[in-house]
Amino acid sequence: EAQVTQNPRYLITVTGKKLTVTCSQNMNHEYMSWYRQDPGLGLRQIYYSMNVEVTDKGDVPEGYKVSRKEKRNFPLILESPSPNQTSLYFCASKSAQEGVSNYGYTFGSGTRLTVV
Amino acid sequence: KQEVTQIPAALSVPEGENLVLNCSFTDSAIYNLQWFRQDPGKGLTSLLLIQSSQREQTSGRLNASLDKSSGRSTLYIAASQPGDSATYLCAVRLGGYQKVTFGTGTKLQVIP
Repeated sequence: EAQVTQNPRYLITVTGKKLTVTCSQNMNHEYMSWYRQDPGLGLRQIYYSMNVEVTDKGDVPEGYKVSRKEKRNFPLILESPSPNQTSLYFCASKSAQEGVSNYGYTFGSGTRLTVV
Repeated sequence: KQEVTQIPAALSVPEGENLVLNCSFTDSAIYNLQWFRQDPGKGLTSLLLIQSSQREQTSGRLNASLDKSSGRSTLYIAASQPGDSATYLCAVRLGGYQKVTFGTGTKLQVIP
């Protein structure tokens, strides 16, 4: 089954303790992206990657890092989490191929992160 | 900067009603527009994707239309069911970019 898999689904951590949220896709998609979703603010892009070893900042990159060493994986790293990073996080992927075969974005099920 | 607005923020209808959800965007140079459904605490499920060259797309009881010149898209749901209760999000992609901009969603409740 074509899917984007995020882990963990739920995470409670303390301020300053480094954490990584993993994201993996099995569709050979070139484009991957991380979003956070907050009430009243909608989905905002954190980082994105056009392909292996190519990453760039989205709208709200502060406090986050990413890497894209393999095509299928795009982990989100919080080096020193703070309470304002408490949010629902989504990973998404998309083929870079354009045209009628482009089905748009596929999203993971989300990771609910609480930083206390 | 592309801004995407969805009105109303919440909608409650009795089962069986036909309904329309609205999505407005400020920059008409879009590449495509995608409608998603999000159940509480869950991920986003893609419903329909309309390319900029298309006027509408249909899937089952869902029909999405696109009017670039007026900066609007509508999602029409026929014969609504309680299982349609969810938040509906539209996402607009500008030409020349891979990034999409999301609206804040319309929370739909279908009452049995």
